[in-house]
This record gives sequence, C-alpha cells and structure tokens, in this order.
Amino acid sequence: EDQVTQSPEALRLQEGESSSLNCSYTVSGLRGLFWYRQDPGKGPEFLFTLYSAGEEKEKERLKATLTKKESFLHITAPKPEDSATYLCAVRKAGNTPLVFGKGTRLSVIA
Amino acid sequence: NAGVTQTPKFRILKIGQSMTLQCTQDMNHNYMYWYRQDPGMGLKLIYYSVGAGITDKGEVPNGYNVSRSTTEDFPLRLELAAPSQTSVYFCASIEGALNTEAFFGQGTRLTVV
Repeated sequence: EDQVTQSPEALRLQEGESSSLNCSYTVSGLRGLFWYRQDPGKGPEFLFTLYSAGEEKEKERLKATLTKKESFLHITAPKPEDSATYLCAVRKAGNTPLVFGKGTRLSVIA
Repeated sequence: NAGVTQTPKFRILKIGQSMTLQCTQDMNHNYMYWYRQDPGMGLKLIYYSVGAGITDKGEVPNGYNVSRSTTEDFPLRLELAAPSQTSVYFCASIEGALNTEAFFGQGTRLTVV
C-alpha cells in the first residue's frame, strides 16, 4: 500500500531560524513527488514537483530535495508569512491520483 | 482565468438531507478529483475521474456519488447526510497523465448536524 508520512506534525520556529520538513514515502513506480502549501481556509497551492532522486528545486526561502525514500523541504531564514501547512503528495505512473501525507503545520514567530 | 471553482463555500445540513457540491474547471483538464480534509488527517480521496463519462472510487467513497457528463463539471452528491461527513471538501484538476501539477478549488466547508 502506498504511504506518505510527514514529520514533524507541527513545527514552531523563530523568524530567521532555518529548519527542514520531512516527507518519507513508500510507493512503487514513483511518477512524481509534490509539495503544496495550504493557508487556513484555502485550498492547497502548488510549490514544487520532484521527479527523480538527487533532484533539487528552489523558490525564494524554500528548497525541496528528493532521495529514493524521502523528500525534504528546507526553509532558510523563515519569515512569519511562511507560516502555513505544508503538504507532501506522491503520484505513480498511469491514471493514479495524488496520495497525500497529513502535512506539517509550520508557525514562524517574529 | 478562474481555475477550479467550488460552490457553495459553506453549508450546514441536517442529518438525512441531501446536497450536491459543485465543481467546475475552465482549464480543459481531463483529470478531476474530490478530496475531503479532516483536522490533522490530510487529504483523503473520495472519487476521481479521468475524463467525461469515467469515474472511479477513491479511498473513502461510501455515502457519496459523482458524475462526469462534461469535461468542465464534476459534482459530488451526498444522498443521506451523516455527522461523519462533516468536513472540508476540495475539488482538484490535472491536465493529464503527463502533467502532474494539481490545481485546487477553495473548498466547501460542510457541517452535518
């Protein structure tokens, strides 16, 4: 059974305190791993897609990396506006839907 | 460019009532999905469709029905509402099998009392 596990469930950081969120997965035939950001009361917003081990992508203070078993979302010098829930999802080849983890709720305190 | 539009945004139902959650996308995407999100539980797939006339069950389909008569619309039907269906419902679409970025609607917050 395909599984996506995110850790920690919640993370509280001081502004400027860098850290990483983890997404571990067990899925055969990975087509892609996705990171989404979700603000309260809104739908998930796409951040990154990673397709193969060793791949990295960056956007502002965020950097996503992928290995054969897990992905990390690194947050460098976070600001309060980075506070959100970050969701990880995987998709296999073919017509299969996205499978989501439970998310990490990030709070950045000024 | 509207993207994925869900209506209504909020709804309160009594036990046993029925309703339809509407989802429309204007991006000509083939793939559409319905997820529910409960606090601390992530997104769970209810139903999905890979094209007009084709639907399939997801992880938690019981108590729900869907149809896909057009590419644009993918309504979700609750026939006999139960308190366990209190949740936030999200509709999403993807262009096709090779394009894997999903676009989400803003959600429908449903409370069954």
